[in-house]
Amino acid sequence: GESVGLHLPTLSVQEGDNSIINCAYSNSASDYFIWYKQESGKGPQFIIDIRSNMDKRQGQRVTVLLNKTVKHLSLQIAATQPGDSAVYFCAENLGDYKLSFGAGTTVTVRA
Amino acid sequence: DAGVIQSPRHEVTEMGQEVTLRCKPISGHNSLFWYRQTMMRGLELLIYFNNNVPIDDSGMPEDRFSAKMPNASFSTLKIQPSEPRDSAVYFCASSRGQGDTQYFGPGTRLTVL
Repeated sequence: GESVGLHLPTLSVQEGDNSIINCAYSNSASDYFIWYKQESGKGPQFIIDIRSNMDKRQGQRVTVLLNKTVKHLSLQIAATQPGDSAVYFCAENLGDYKLSFGAGTTVTVRA
Repeated sequence: DAGVIQSPRHEVTEMGQEVTLRCKPISGHNSLFWYRQTMMRGLELLIYFNNNVPIDDSGMPEDRFSAKMPNASFSTLKIQPSEPRDSAVYFCASSRGQGDTQYFGPGTRLTVL
């Protein structure tokens, strides 16, 4: 079946460095992608989204890149801070209301 | 602006008991979702409501699970009878409309002994 998955389950980053979290998807018909951040004991928190008619979108310290040719999505976090430690999920909208979530990447920021 | 509100935040119960989880979506949002999160299966969609009407309940595990949305500002997820394998974190999410960004509540951590 088609699914959304993450390349790496964990990422350790030095405080102040940039983080890159990757995500692969296989449904070429997907037209909307979302990144969520989940801190321990909390619900997934919306970070940024991108539609398939774009290849890049920037937010505050975050950038999402979409490469439809290779079905790849990435989240870049600039100047990573301790508060960025969390599990990051990419989610793929399957055309209507359903989101398919990746397994999640755990980001740990080293002081 | 208040986000999605869920209660209780934690629930510990014994096998066979009835459990009711509650959710208040963001005001003005017409779509409501119930998810379950476990280490083994990740985030799973249980049921989706649009304008208070259940649209897709294909993710509801079995007849022990039921969900209602009596009005636009309240939904419940009930498990009766509960079993240990129901232990998980249950999230409610809402969105402005179908296909719009979903915003999650803080979740209810359910432990069935």
